[in-house]
Amino acid sequence: DQQVKQNSPSLSVQEGRISILNCDYTNSMFDYFLWYKKYPAEGPTFLISISSIKDKNEDGRFTVFLNKSAKHLSLHIVPSQPGDSAVYFCAAKPPNAGKSTFGDGTTLTVKP
Amino acid sequence: EAGVVQSPRYKIIEKKQPVAFWCNPISGHNTLYWYRQNLGQGPELLIRYENEEAVDDSQLPKDRFSAERLKGVDSTLKIQPAELGDSAVYLCASSLGGGPGETQYFGPGTRLLVL
Repeated sequence: DQQVKQNSPSLSVQEGRISILNCDYTNSMFDYFLWYKKYPAEGPTFLISISSIKDKNEDGRFTVFLNKSAKHLSLHIVPSQPGDSAVYFCAAKPPNAGKSTFGDGTTLTVKP
Repeated sequence: EAGVVQSPRYKIIEKKQPVAFWCNPISGHNTLYWYRQNLGQGPELLIRYENEEAVDDSQLPKDRFSAERLKGVDSTLKIQPAELGDSAVYLCASSLGGGPGETQYFGPGTRLLVL
């Protein structure tokens, strides 16, 4: 049973537009959520995170929204740039634990 | 500052052969993680170390996988014997501590192909 799901394997957007990547989770014990970005032949790189006590966290062009009742989070990238083209992983952690459970990733392509 | 270093970057072996992966975490990072990433999937934790102690190895297939982190710095992950299904990318990550807010820094991974 996959506890973190990214239902869209891929997403293509035009440069300058908004990219919205979605993630759903099933384990109500998760209380910390992260997004990672991965380029080919590299390891994932931390992008942004959010605690369950918040519903929004913003860092520059990146904003993560958390809807606890729906067990859903999303990553918004505005404006999207070609360099944002990568695989984006959603991850979740329970309290007091270092273990992250990852989704299968969404490949974002930003077209010039 | 140097990132997480892993070697080798690629490894091709025949099934039933042994294989070992090495990881050097970021200096000062007490927590070290080994993940396995199958094609088209996200990373899955195999084992987590706090200094020298393995604090979470519940997902490590202990019949064929072993890991060690001597002196709480470098770590080695071994598979013996390797099976076809072990083909994957093995990622090492480190963080200052093991708390939920700690950022994990990943190495580039070792891509293993078992023939």
